[in-house]
Amino acid sequence: EAEVAQSPRYKITEKSQAVAFWCDPISGHATLYWYRQILGQGPELLVQFQDESVVDDSQLPKDRFSAERLKGVDSTLKIQPAELGDSAMYLCASSFNSAVSGNTIYFGEGSWLTVV
Amino acid sequence: AQSVSQHNHHVILSEAASLELGCNYSYGGTVNLFWYVQYPGQHLQLLLKYFSGDPLVKGIKGFEAEFIKSKFSFNLRKPSVQWSDTAEYFCAVSASNTGKLIFGQGTTLQVKP
Repeated sequence: EAEVAQSPRYKITEKSQAVAFWCDPISGHATLYWYRQILGQGPELLVQFQDESVVDDSQLPKDRFSAERLKGVDSTLKIQPAELGDSAMYLCASSFNSAVSGNTIYFGEGSWLTVV
Repeated sequence: AQSVSQHNHHVILSEAASLELGCNYSYGGTVNLFWYVQYPGQHLQLLLKYFSGDPLVKGIKGFEAEFIKSKFSFNLRKPSVQWSDTAEYFCAVSASNTGKLIFGQGTTLQVKP
């Protein structure tokens, strides 16, 4: 079964340093999502791409977070500088096409970030 | 704005007990509804989903959920839980025209053998 690939699985970084996460969605999926999940809470959407275009980044802290999907396939989420409150799991997900009714979203295993 | 509320944060059951996890959402338009499960150390997996048609939907591993439009609810049920059902369960809703998934805060289910 095709999966959403993410790396790294675990990252420890010092505050004020830069950190980046990579995601490769399921082949053929036009929509890609980055979610953040703080321990004990449900995932929250950070950014949604349709192909290479951002369609929703309303919850992305743009002063320190950036995301790109240059060729409409894989994507990178960057945090610079990292803060202690950024410690969380960063989930990537993909779906065939968010504009299609009945769209199902598939999640990767996530990247755990600890900021010290 | 859309929101999802899960009534129980932590549920403890014995094996063979029946399970019902509550989920209510707020949104005035057409929605798609989901339950996801996260087993310890694993990624989020889809348990079941409702898009249209029969409001009683059946998912994997014996789970089912019922969409009650008048109550804005989508409760998850299982007649007899197993120890292997120990996991975190998330209810989620998306507006049918955006695909943006909004999650509840999750319910941790602990099943005692």
